[in-house]
Amino acid sequence: DAGVTQSPTHLIKTRGQHVTLRCSPISGHKSVSWYQQVLGQGPQFIFQYYEKEERGRGNFPDRFSARQFPNYSSELNVNALLLGDSALYLCASSFNTYEQYFGPGTRLTVT
Amino acid sequence: AQSVTQPDIHITVSEGASLELRCNYSYGATPYLFWYVQSPGQGLQLLLKYFSGDTLVQGIKGFEAEFKRSQSSFNLRKPSVHWSDAAEYFCAIRDDKIIFGKGTRLHILP
Repeated sequence: DAGVTQSPTHLIKTRGQHVTLRCSPISGHKSVSWYQQVLGQGPQFIFQYYEKEERGRGNFPDRFSARQFPNYSSELNVNALLLGDSALYLCASSFNTYEQYFGPGTRLTVT
Repeated sequence: AQSVTQPDIHITVSEGASLELRCNYSYGATPYLFWYVQSPGQGLQLLLKYFSGDTLVQGIKGFEAEFKRSQSSFNLRKPSVHWSDAAEYFCAIRDDKIIFGKGTRLHILP
């Protein structure tokens, strides 16, 4: 069984640009969550989606948005990138929103 | 507010020695608790979880953790570490979202 997949693996963007990160959950999982992990810190919760509806949102500005598609894959969008948005973005999927399985992450560098 | 504290930023142990990583939490009810491991540049792998029942939980790779309500702790243990255990370890609690501690980086001496 394939695990959680994320694309791209690495990304370099310039301040002010927009970025879209993608995540495919484990087959059968209906919930996807997004986390931001800044170097040297634990992951910080951004969004959770379950059955295509937003179930939770962390303390992030409106520049961050996400959606979940009918096949349960998900996109995280960040507008007007700032240097501080440089981080590892992790996607996690779960069947019931409790036990989450993480993908390898997308490393975003903003210059 | 719910929170997770990992008091040790770095821990160094010799290969073959025992290991205990500390985790304290703040939560009003019985928490859902997790330990994850992250190798450099990688995502997080779930080592073990506690939802209810037996307070001693067995996980993968020979790890175990003990839930102690009286001490608000969920410490991770391994009787004998291997060089491949060098990684960052995160304790986490589940409320309406998962809240992670800041992590403990484990170094292994040969």
